[in-house]
Amino acid sequence: DQQVKQNSPSLSVQEGRISILNCDYTNSMFDYFLWYKKYPAEGPTFLISISSIKDKNEDGRFTVFLNKSAKHLSLHIVPSQPGDSAVYFCAARGTSYGKLTFGQGTILTVHP
Amino acid sequence: DAGITQSPRHKVTETGTPVTLRCHQTENHRYMYWYRQDPGHGLRLIHYSYGVKDTDKGEVSDGYSVSRSKTEDFLLTLESATSSQTSVYFCAIRPSLAETSTDTQYFGPGTRLTVL
Repeated sequence: DQQVKQNSPSLSVQEGRISILNCDYTNSMFDYFLWYKKYPAEGPTFLISISSIKDKNEDGRFTVFLNKSAKHLSLHIVPSQPGDSAVYFCAARGTSYGKLTFGQGTILTVHP
Repeated sequence: DAGITQSPRHKVTETGTPVTLRCHQTENHRYMYWYRQDPGHGLRLIHYSYGVKDTDKGEVSDGYSVSRSKTEDFLLTLESATSSQTSVYFCAIRPSLAETSTDTQYFGPGTRLTVL
């Protein structure tokens, strides 16, 4: 039972264009959502987060949108850069001990 | 840099042998976590700790045990390694909200474990 799903295994985008990564969840008890970025042979690094009481959070080129009624969140990267090429994981936090549930990841490739 | 190290970084072992992975942090954070990363599954929580000697199971805890006798160290033990435990293992820490403006987890560099 996958409570957090990233249905697109991969995404290819041209440099300068927008990248949109999507994530769906099923557990309505999740109250906080995060995006992580991962390069090969490294640990995931935190990118941006959003509380369930908000519908948008922006940090530079990165914006996360949350649609609670649809149980859907998305990460927008504008403009995309080749250095953004990585695996992106969405994660959702339950209410106890900060435990995170991760999606399967989406491989983003940004072409020069 | 959240001051997290993992050792070893790579290990090859044989089925049936015990294996211990170490996670070390330098900043005395209360919460620590062990995850495994596998293709198609993302990261899955194995065990977590909310203080010295306080640990609990995550979603994929079968075949694993943990110990935390000091704040800075969180050990993951595969009691009798199996090929299905071939994976990349990540440790994470969670600073308290008094220490950070964002509630997040910071990850170590990972340990690649191969069980033959």
